[in-house]
Amino acid sequence: QKEVEQDPGPLSVPEGAIVSLNCTYSNSAFQYFMWYRQYSRKGPELLMYTYSSGNKEDGRFTAQVDKSSKYISLFIRDSQPSDSATYLCAILGTSYGKLTFGQGTILTVHP
Amino acid sequence: GAGVSQSPSNKVTEKGKDVELRCDPISGHTALYWYRQSLGQGLEFLIYFQGNSAPDKSGLPSDRFSAERTGGSVSTLTIQRTQQEDSAVYLCASSSGAGASGNTIYFGEGSWLTVV
Repeated sequence: QKEVEQDPGPLSVPEGAIVSLNCTYSNSAFQYFMWYRQYSRKGPELLMYTYSSGNKEDGRFTAQVDKSSKYISLFIRDSQPSDSATYLCAILGTSYGKLTFGQGTILTVHP
Repeated sequence: GAGVSQSPSNKVTEKGKDVELRCDPISGHTALYWYRQSLGQGLEFLIYFQGNSAPDKSGLPSDRFSAERTGGSVSTLTIQRTQQEDSAVYLCASSSGAGASGNTIYFGEGSWLTVV
């Protein structure tokens, strides 16, 4: 079993839709949870991170963590074509920044 | 520099040749990481540097892979006797601290390696 499992998609949604991206993890010791966005032929960029159960909002993006279920989600409201990218969940498993990534979900938002 | 810089951006090499990939982290960042991303896969951790030492090299897939960091700055990832399964994007990242909590980890754009 992989430490982090991510719904592989791909997802294709119309502009304005609400998008839900999900990951599960196996190690209850994980403390920090991140979402990265990666455009084609670019490096991943950090979108959001959280370290507690509950929701964290940043504009159109909401990160949700449920530690009891070991489940993390990213919601994108009012999705835009510019949101089309690969989204990667990542979990910090050590004190020194070693990230364990899900396999990524390719999202396409069409006008 | 302004961001994490990697070179070459693209490399095509023949099976059996050695390759060197270079990473120039953000100035002042003490932590440096190498990851590998194969087609359609997530990122796979290779090695972590704090300064010039590598306390965690557990992700290096075989003894054909090695990495060093000098002057607490530039790092080189070397792959000897390349194989076709080494074809991937090699991503370097750096952070100002040990990477936990608020120490954001910044990624470069990667070196795209193709072994033919």
